[in-house]
Amino acid sequence: AQSVSQHNHHVILSEAASLELGCNYSYGGTVNLFWYVQYPGQHLQLLLKYFSGDPLVKGIKGFEAEFIKSKFSFNLRKPSVQWSDTAEYFCAVNAPNSNSGYALNFGKGTSLLVTP
Amino acid sequence: SAVISQKPSRDICQRGTSLTIQCQVDSQVTMMFWYRQQPGQSLTLIATANQGSEATYESGFVIDKFPISRPNLTFSTLTVSNMSPEDSSIYLCSASGIGAYEQYFGPGTRLTVT
Repeated sequence: AQSVSQHNHHVILSEAASLELGCNYSYGGTVNLFWYVQYPGQHLQLLLKYFSGDPLVKGIKGFEAEFIKSKFSFNLRKPSVQWSDTAEYFCAVNAPNSNSGYALNFGKGTSLLVTP
Repeated sequence: SAVISQKPSRDICQRGTSLTIQCQVDSQVTMMFWYRQQPGQSLTLIATANQGSEATYESGFVIDKFPISRPNLTFSTLTVSNMSPEDSSIYLCSASGIGAYEQYFGPGTRLTVT
């Protein structure tokens, strides 16, 4: 069965600091990778996605993520965070060729607090 | 991207009763899913809602407890039956567009069972 691990559960950063959130998954086959964000009081939004091709993907609001196949990782980065980035971040994976198909398997989430 | 709405947005229910949550998508989609997000935890897939056939449930979830309907390509319902306080959670609907792998989520239904 697939599993998704997010290593940091709570992160506190000052504005302008750089951000990297770790995500590892366990599945040996083809995967699609996603980062979702949930701002306070809002619903889940897709931040970025990786299906194939360039392993460095760019998403909305200056976020990017790098897929490293050999490490089964898909870490999220942002060079300079803003107070408005305060949110819960979820890494998710699906494996279209597996029994679970398109269903998403989520990590436990990372709560990011950006202080002024 | 698809826009997804859910009704109700929240409810407080007594144990032993049932609640039906509706999910409406603004465009035709291929896949629809129902997830649960328990307090302080991540999302767990309950089932895939299949159009015109029975839903596909994940381990630990059964049709008698969580009956699901999907009468057409843009609408689905999830019923939480014979509720107990352990069912208190946020229930989310999601959908994937035609030929797409990513899912878009509704705002969720916050359920409290007393």
